[in-house]
Amino acid sequence: EADIYQTPRYLVIGTGKKITLECSQTMGHDKMYWYQQDPGMELHLIHYSYGVNSTEKGDLSSESTVSRIRTEHFPLTLESARPSHTSQYLCASSVAGVNHNEQFFGPGTRLTVL
Amino acid sequence: AQTVTQSQPEMSVQEAETVTLSCTYDTSESDYYLFWYKQPPSRQMILVIRQEAYKQQNATENRFSVNFQKAAKSFSLKISDSQLGDAAMYFCAYRSYNTDKLIFGTGTRLQVFP
Repeated sequence: EADIYQTPRYLVIGTGKKITLECSQTMGHDKMYWYQQDPGMELHLIHYSYGVNSTEKGDLSSESTVSRIRTEHFPLTLESARPSHTSQYLCASSVAGVNHNEQFFGPGTRLTVL
Repeated sequence: AQTVTQSQPEMSVQEAETVTLSCTYDTSESDYYLFWYKQPPSRQMILVIRQEAYKQQNATENRFSVNFQKAAKSFSLKISDSQLGDAAMYFCAYRSYNTDKLIFGTGTRLQVFP
């Protein structure tokens, strides 16, 4: 079944650790996105990609980095996690020309940095 | 810059009743999309309904309908015959016609009581 997956769903780590949040989709979508969502707040776009080897920063400044080596995979990395990075991170994907470029969302990763 | 405002942090409704969630937005553009997304607790965000700004007719999807007032920049969601499964956070979102970037409101938490 075509879907979008995120792992881990929950992560609690200490300050200074390097972490990678995984996002994969099996829908063959060319466009992928990362959003950051603080509790009770709106989603903010932090990174997006329009295809392999294409990555751009979003509207909200983030210390994280992303890569897009394969179409289906769009991981997000924090080199040195800090408490200010505590948030929920949502991955999404879309394809041009289908349902007005509707974005499909993953279940999210809830990150807590102690 | 475009903004989306949801002035109701929480709403509640009794099962089988009707509830309306409010959303206003600000833009100088004439062509754009508006969306309502549903985010159930610990589950994936899904698209509930979409409205293209150039269409005068209000969008409907089964029990969900919108009241789109372009001049007033208002985009409310009406849920008829509310069900327990409708309980979730509901986000209003805006997207310019020629981009993929979604701009979200802060969300409305909907509770449904039996």
